[in-house]
Amino acid sequence: QSALTQPASVSGSPGQSITISCTATSSDLANYRLVSWYQQYPGKAPKLIIYDINKRPSGVSDRFSASKSGNTASLTISGLQSEDEGDYHCCSYAGRDTYVFGTGTKVTVL
Amino acid sequence: DVQLVESGGGLVQPGGSLRLSCAASGFTFRSYWMHWVRQAPGEGLVWVSRVNGDESSSSYADSVKGRFTISRDNAKNTLYLEMNSLRAEDTAVYYCARGGLGLGDYWGQGTLVTVSS
Repeated sequence: QSALTQPASVSGSPGQSITISCTATSSDLANYRLVSWYQQYPGKAPKLIIYDINKRPSGVSDRFSASKSGNTASLTISGLQSEDEGDYHCCSYAGRDTYVFGTGTKVTVL
Repeated sequence: DVQLVESGGGLVQPGGSLRLSCAASGFTFRSYWMHWVRQAPGEGLVWVSRVNGDESSSSYADSVKGRFTISRDNAKNTLYLEMNSLRAEDTAVYYCARGGLGLGDYWGQGTLVTVSS
């Protein structure tokens, strides 16, 4: 159950697009559709922003999109806004009835 | 509105025990899987355990297997995490999450567990 690898930090200017990768060392991601992404502000609980690889829950901005290719999932934030600054975590079903999170990425809006 | 409220965290000595609770409201509790997820200070999220709606199945991360027990009382709309043989590395904020969409579509505010002598 090794954590999925995410870049420690990603930054961008307002209006730009950024992409956060989430890579597994095993077949954690390749075989499963249960990849989700969470946004977290300091001192707050995580919030679901993407589930089942690329689906957005009701109320989540369409500036958030996601995809998966092989062992790597990706989250793209388009039209970057100051409110997007925070931590982002990917998560995948890892088989044998277990789940694994990514190492987390800090997004900074310049 | 869906609400999840954790309680039971605190300071405990290494080797000690603690029971966390998560009170749920605003949805049909027995219809959902529930998860515990923890986050050590300054670190990422780590999945701990999950239980299905009627408590007929559960699973655990290797790091807590044999020490932690997840359970639920559907009559009280409450999820529990019994933690034994606690170690310093178990120090974290513990969140409960509803297993609707993704691993958790609703999360509690978390409760801090500190394992230290």
